[in-house]
Amino acid sequence: DTAVSQTPKYLVTQMGNDKSIKCEQNLGHDTMYWYKQDSKKFLKIMFSYNNKELIINETVPNRFSPKSPDKAHLNLHINSLELGDSAVYFCASSQLTGTGGYNEQFFGPGTRLTVL
Amino acid sequence: QQQVKQSPQSLIVQKGGISIINCAYENTAFDYFPWYQQFPGKGPALLIAIRPDVSEKKEGRFTISFNKSAKQFSLHIMDSQPGDSATYFCAASITGTASKLTFGTGTRLQVTL
Repeated sequence: DTAVSQTPKYLVTQMGNDKSIKCEQNLGHDTMYWYKQDSKKFLKIMFSYNNKELIINETVPNRFSPKSPDKAHLNLHINSLELGDSAVYFCASSQLTGTGGYNEQFFGPGTRLTVL
Repeated sequence: QQQVKQSPQSLIVQKGGISIINCAYENTAFDYFPWYQQFPGKGPALLIAIRPDVSEKKEGRFTISFNKSAKQFSLHIMDSQPGDSATYFCAASITGTASKLTFGTGTRLQVTL
């Protein structure tokens, strides 16, 4: 009964490769997010989708492309991986509509990406 | 530009003591201030949150104090326990369709026996 799940948990790959991380939430939320946590633990938002529509697109290289096939899924595809992409990537979800705007976000367990 | 500043970076407290973590923000449009707790290898989890229309919110051993005029808010953990050892993040957001969370830099708390 995991609320927000991510696969894989660990991802080790070579520079220049293309990889994807998948996220699914079973909370019935209408909004999903991708965050990047760097080696210093700093959490920064990358993207957000509300009802499958992109609503937040921070300054992220266009090698990163999110895709939301439906409200319960948000995947992250990364092209031409670079050393600096090594980080922990967290997916999160929240319910924005009908909650008075309380943005309680539920996070997944994270995907540790290591680029060699 | 760091919109939410958090201190200290790390904190060591004895069991039973009070842990205090401080945050300051710049954007006066922020209207939701949550605290997240993160254990090693896990995702952040919401601990407690406050809106600026109140100055304090308490849930069990955890209390948020909010000072709107100073643009500061803090987390107090009373009777700190070893199980509280984790990284704590303050955050802020603006209610609306985007509602993105801007996080502080995190405080690593260690509660010793």
